[in-house]
This record gives sequence, C-alpha cells and structure tokens, in this order.
Amino acid sequence: DAGVTQSPTHLIKTRGQQVTLRCSPISGHKSVSWYQQVLGQGPQFIFQYYEKEERGRGNFPDRFSARQFPNYSSELNVNALLLGDSALYLCASSSGVFGNTIYFGEGSWLTVV
Amino acid sequence: QKEVEQNSGPLSVPEGAIASLNCTYSDRGSQSFFWYRQYSGKSPELIMFIYSNGDKEDGRFTAQLNKASQYVSLLIRDSQPSDSATYLCAVAKDYGGSQGNLIFGKGTKLSVKP
Repeated sequence: DAGVTQSPTHLIKTRGQQVTLRCSPISGHKSVSWYQQVLGQGPQFIFQYYEKEERGRGNFPDRFSARQFPNYSSELNVNALLLGDSALYLCASSSGVFGNTIYFGEGSWLTVV
Repeated sequence: QKEVEQNSGPLSVPEGAIASLNCTYSDRGSQSFFWYRQYSGKSPELIMFIYSNGDKEDGRFTAQLNKASQYVSLLIRDSQPSDSATYLCAVAKDYGGSQGNLIFGKGTKLSVKP
C-alpha cells in the first residue's frame, strides 16, 4: 500500500509569492494534519482536517490556510511568503480523529529567497 | 517553559552500548507519548508510542513513562551505527495522537560510533 504522498518534494519561491502544497493520505485514512519543521527544530502543528472539516489549528498566521477534498487529499496554502517560511512541510494521515497513530509523508522542502 | 524538552545532544555512544534518550513535558493532561526517528533530510518515522506508566518494549527499543514526574525516555539496546539519527519526542492530549496535534521536542541527535 502507498504511504502518505506529498508534492512537490522541493520548491523555491520568492518572498511575497504564494505556494500550494499537496498531500494524499494513506488509503482509508480520513484525517490529515500539516506540520512545519524548521531546520534544527521539531515539527510544529499547523492544521488538522477530518472528514473535510478543520478540527485543529496551530499558532500560525492567517497567511496559512488548508482544505481537504472529498477524496481526503489535502492542500496547504501559504500566501505572502516570508523568508522564515522556509522549512520542511510535513503531511500526516491517520484513520480517524480518536485513536490510532499518525504517519508522516516525506515532506515538501520549501525555500523562500 | 517549553512544552516538550529534550537534550539536543549530540549524544555519542559506542556500537553495542545502550543509548538513553530523555524527554520531559509540561502538560499534565497529556495522554500519549511518541518517539520518532528522523534521519537527516528525511521525514519522522514512528518508533514507539506509550500510554501507560511503566515500560514498553519492542525489539531493541524500550519506552519508559512516568506521568507523575512528567518524564518519558527511550532506551536503545545494542546500538548500531544505523541508529544514528535525531530522535523526536512527541506528546498528545488524546490517545493515539490522531487528532493530529502532536507537540514535538527539538529532538536529540544520536551518534553511534563503530
């Protein structure tokens, strides 16, 4: 079975631009979470979606938004990019809101120049 | 006070030794605790999770939880050079962490010397 898949794997953007990152969860998983990992730090929670509804939001500015589609895939959008948004963006999926552990995709490396 | 604290290391152990990784957390309402391994340039990989006080063993790995002391640890027996990675401790307020809101520490870098 395929794991969590993310695209693109690497991208470079300029300050002020917008970026969209995509994630497909493990088959059968209905919950998708997004994390940001800055170099040298642990992942930091951004959003969680379950059954297309936002179930949790971390301490990130409104420039960050996300959505989940009927097939449970998800997109993370970041507007007005800043240099500090350069990070590894991780998508994780789980089978449900309660119980069961989450599994991470390989991530999308974003560099803002 | 940071919610999840780990010694950033690097922790260096010889091959075959026991590596001991420690983590403390501040929220007494935390219910589940996770250890992830992250190789350089890769995503975190789940090693173990633990919900109850005491020890949980899986192969060469043992997780230990003490909720009264708000302390969780990971022991790696017979350490191998392939265990060299950053180990991330994560905490969740729900069982399983499937609500997605895991709180991670900064990670401890482990180096196993041949």
